Amino acid sequence: EDKVVQSPLSLVVHEGDTVTLNCSYEVTNFRSLLWYKQEKKAPTFLFMLTSSGIEKKSGRLSSILDKKELFSILNITATQTGDSAVYLCAVGTGTASKLTFGTGTRLQVTL
Amino acid sequence: GAVVSQHPSRVICKSGTSVKIECRSLDFQATTMFWYRQFPKQSLMLMATSNEGSKATYEQGVEKDKFLINHASLTLSTLTVTSAHPEDSSFYICSARYGKETQYFGPGTRLLVL
Repeated sequence: EDKVVQSPLSLVVHEGDTVTLNCSYEVTNFRSLLWYKQEKKAPTFLFMLTSSGIEKKSGRLSSILDKKELFSILNITATQTGDSAVYLCAVGTGTASKLTFGTGTRLQVTL
Repeated sequence: GAVVSQHPSRVICKSGTSVKIECRSLDFQATTMFWYRQFPKQSLMLMATSNEGSKATYEQGVEKDKFLINHASLTLSTLTVTSAHPEDSSFYICSARYGKETQYFGPGTRLLVL
């Protein structure tokens, strides 16, 4: 059975802090790893990673994949209250690229 | 680009009735769409993969006669919850595959069965 594990489950930081969210996986037929941000409604896409060692960056967010050690990290620098959300990691597998989601990390950024 | 809509956003129905939820890709064609269910404070659970022009593929434990999926065009998939019961109350989210790997999600439908 495919498994995606995220840590920590929840995190409270002060505005301006840097956070690192972790995602490890055990799946068959890996195709991609995706990060999503979920606030009140459906997840919004952040990054898709397919190759090891290549950092993807968007503003204060960045992510990298290690296919040998089977994990990915999502970094958020200079956090803001608007970064408060659940961050979901999902791994795509098989020809249909089905996504298996982790349980998410709930991030709260306080003033 | 890559916008997915869902309708309705919220529905309340009586036990025993059927509810249809629509998922549309607005600015791209999606041969594959996915239906998920999410319980409060839990992650998304894949229910089925919807393929345009063919039968949906259901995940283990999901009753295909209870959750009817129709993917009649490249921009529309529908999920019908038949004979809904209170335990079917949940947040249902669809996604459409854009390109080879990335899925974009609709805003979700909150179903409450009384």
